[in-house]
Amino acid sequence: GAVVSQHPSWVICKSGTSVKIECRSLDFQATTMFWYRQFPKQSLMLMATSNEGSKATYEQGVEKDKFLINHASLTLSTLTVTSAHPEDSSFYICSARAQGYTYEQYFGPGTRLTVT
Amino acid sequence: AQKVTQAQTEISVVEKEDVTLDCVYETRDTTYYLFWYKQPPSGELVFLIRRNSFDEQNEISGRYSWNFQKSTSSFNFTITASQVVDSAVYFCALTQNTGTASKLTFGTGTRLQVTL
Repeated sequence: GAVVSQHPSWVICKSGTSVKIECRSLDFQATTMFWYRQFPKQSLMLMATSNEGSKATYEQGVEKDKFLINHASLTLSTLTVTSAHPEDSSFYICSARAQGYTYEQYFGPGTRLTVT
Repeated sequence: AQKVTQAQTEISVVEKEDVTLDCVYETRDTTYYLFWYKQPPSGELVFLIRRNSFDEQNEISGRYSWNFQKSTSSFNFTITASQVVDSAVYFCALTQNTGTASKLTFGTGTRLQVTL
């Protein structure tokens, strides 16, 4: 149980285009989803927290207009990187927290984004 | 503010050696949770253990053991008789139990290389 999927697992896009990453909780309802970013050989940095049906809360320094997060249902959150640039190339990981649980997060397998 | 420190950036051991990964944390909260995650080269985070701040019992699970010392704010992880498959980056993380606002703070990770 508690499986989180991400799609795509990797994506290459051209500079200036937008790319959408999906995060799904497959066997539980996720009231809260988190998006992390990880540069090579670095730790995970929280980008934003999204609650189903409400606007995402972004961490300091994260551009909300560049990283659009939508949490439209209890099983799906999307991260759209708009007008991508090479410096947006990174490993993006989502996690989901089940309804009723305040501390346990289940992580997706990650999406590797390369912007050329 | 919360902080997790993993002072060991990289550790290299020969197979069958025991290895201990250090984790020191800072928090002002009296209730919190500590985690260890493993990130193999594939990138997917693998959950290893969760410990709450009221439970200082040490735990052993197969070749893994954890030593939680609240007095020194440490939560160290030991792998006994290491194997090549243990090669990965290991992250220690801390979360507050603050209901819907809980977030994970990750340490910088320790890269473990186990060689034959």
